[in-house]
Amino acid sequence: AQRVTQPEKLLSVFKGAPVELKCNYSYSGSPELFWYVQYSRQRLQLLLRHISRESIKGFTADLNKGETSFHLKKPFAQEEDSAMYYCALRGTGTASKLTFGTGTRLQVTL
Amino acid sequence: GAVVSQHPSRVICKSGTSVKIECRSLDFQATTMFWYRQFPKQSLMLMATSNEGSKATYEQGVEKDKFLINHASLTLSTLTVTSAHPEDSSFYICSARDQGTGTEAFFGQGTRLTVV
Repeated sequence: AQRVTQPEKLLSVFKGAPVELKCNYSYSGSPELFWYVQYSRQRLQLLLRHISRESIKGFTADLNKGETSFHLKKPFAQEEDSAMYYCALRGTGTASKLTFGTGTRLQVTL
Repeated sequence: GAVVSQHPSRVICKSGTSVKIECRSLDFQATTMFWYRQFPKQSLMLMATSNEGSKATYEQGVEKDKFLINHASLTLSTLTVTSAHPEDSSFYICSARDQGTGTEAFFGQGTRLTVV
């Protein structure tokens, strides 16, 4: 079974402070990990994938297989980063599906 | 860019009636679409995978006769909640894969279903 855990429901940080949204997963094979973001009154959208090893809007995430984690990080939070963030895992094979975590609401305050 | 359009965004229906939700891919073809359900303050739960021209694949615990999925064209998948009951009230979301990367990159805006 595949499982994604986001331990924090809410993370509140000050503008300019570093951000780390935690994500841990459980999967027996080699998963694909994703971060999705949902801004207020908008639809869910893909933020980044671990495979692409990219930085999007200043956010990065490194897959740590030893710790089975895929934490999302940004060195300096901006007000516009306030949103709901979901970590998701997709297993391998043709029957693979996305399993989402319960989400963490990031609140960036002045 | 690619967009998935979901309609309606909100619907209220009486108990016992059926409701159809449409999910359209705009400017691209989606051979596979996904239907999720999200309860308040909970995560998205995959209900079924919709395949163009073939039967949908349902997740364990999802009633096939209750949630009818039709994917008759490469740009349209529909979810029909039959004989709706108050416990079917939820937020339903569809998505489609980016064919280039295979990633679920495009989500509909969701449909808030309220059964009274």
